[in-house]
Amino acid sequence: AQSVAQPEDQVNVAEGNPLTVKCTYSVSGNPYLFWYVQYPNRGLQFLLKYITGDNLVKGSYGFEAEFNKSQTSFHLKKPSALVSDSALYFCAVRAMEYGNKLVFGAGTILRVKS
Amino acid sequence: ETGVTQSPTHLIKTRGQQVTLRCSSQSGHNTVSWYQQALGQGPQFIFQYYREEENGRGNFPPRFSGLQFPNYSSELNVNALELDDSALYLCASSLRSDPISPLHFGNGTRLTVT
Repeated sequence: AQSVAQPEDQVNVAEGNPLTVKCTYSVSGNPYLFWYVQYPNRGLQFLLKYITGDNLVKGSYGFEAEFNKSQTSFHLKKPSALVSDSALYFCAVRAMEYGNKLVFGAGTILRVKS
Repeated sequence: ETGVTQSPTHLIKTRGQQVTLRCSSQSGHNTVSWYQQALGQGPQFIFQYYREEENGRGNFPPRFSGLQFPNYSSELNVNALELDDSALYLCASSLRSDPISPLHFGNGTRLTVT
């Protein structure tokens, strides 16, 4: 099984509407989960992480993510999308079974239309 | 605080040639990781350097090699370039003693092999 899966290649949402970008993971033990965003011709920018504790994690630019252990998911959410949120989003996991290196999903393109 | 910087930003090489990419880590960070991001894919882990030694390697052939210098800057060398080596190469720095902290990425070097 893929260590990190992002089932949607692209998500389209209207400005002002809530957005969700999905991520599921497959690791044994307790994973460390991350979301990064990539704008064209740029590196990855860190948005938020889940290490332990509260299942709802708040991050940069109004983004949040919900950790669900039973569903092994870590979906990225935002209550009200902005056109400037349009970018490529990556979910990533760090776990002992991967030598603690960061393993990325394939990415999801988010398009927010005005 | 100085972020991660990479050079050059773009590079065009011919198949069979050799290339060296450079990375300066964020101030205070002692660990450098290199990732390859092919078009339309998530970043793939190449290797990590800590205290000038390779400390973890992904599924890349030996013609991908690296160095880390006493000031924690790093180089990625690729010999005998192949067309499939065309990609965005990302460098990321972190503090090894804090494994749950996010990686800080540079903007990458876009390598085109013709």
